[in-house]
Amino acid sequence: GENVEQHPSTLSVQEGDSAVIKCTYSDSASNYFPWYKQELGKRPQLIIDIRSNVGEKKDQRIAVTLNKTAKHFSLHITETQPEDSAVYFCAASFPSNFGNEKLTFGTGTRLTIIP
Amino acid sequence: DAGVIQSPRHEVTEMGQEVTLRCKPISGHDYLFWYRQTMMRGLELLIYFNNNVPIDDSGMPEDRFSAKMPNASFSTLKIQPSEPRDSAVYFCASSFGTGSSGNTIYFGEGSWLTVV
Repeated sequence: GENVEQHPSTLSVQEGDSAVIKCTYSDSASNYFPWYKQELGKRPQLIIDIRSNVGEKKDQRIAVTLNKTAKHFSLHITETQPEDSAVYFCAASFPSNFGNEKLTFGTGTRLTIIP
Repeated sequence: DAGVIQSPRHEVTEMGQEVTLRCKPISGHDYLFWYRQTMMRGLELLIYFNNNVPIDDSGMPEDRFSAKMPNASFSTLKIQPSEPRDSAVYFCASSFGTGSSGNTIYFGEGSWLTVV
């Protein structure tokens, strides 16, 4: 079935250090992997995504890596800042029984940046 | 565009009462999703629509939950009767495409439901 596991559930890092969040997925047919950021009391918003034909993608201080063989992908945030404090969700696409695909989300990682 | 609009933002209701959550998707989006967020289970997909037609409701927890999309600009999620374990944040989201093909899913602000 569709399953996305995300670790760790909570993460605290010193400001300026790097943070890494990891996800694994169950279906080798998954081909799209977005990451969403949810600030306290706000809506989840897409911050970066990667498709299965790419191993790494970077956008300023944020990067995502994908290992299709191992079925895991990771979010890397470098030079962390207080505004990076939020809950981060990974997601993976899964073939649906209804002829299209749908996203399944991980359970989230609460990232706290310590000033 | 104002984004995905949900109402009410907050609702406190008594067990057994009917709850109706409302959503207006982004104009032009052909997919609409209802998610439920809890601490224990994270973001769960309850149901999604394509061009106003329900496609996959396998995430709807039980018969007490129902969702409709009478037109392209409006959807409701109804819980009847409500129970304390339904307390959660309910997000409506929309996209052009399923979201799994690289089309961004845009979330509303959420409806915070508390059933006492």
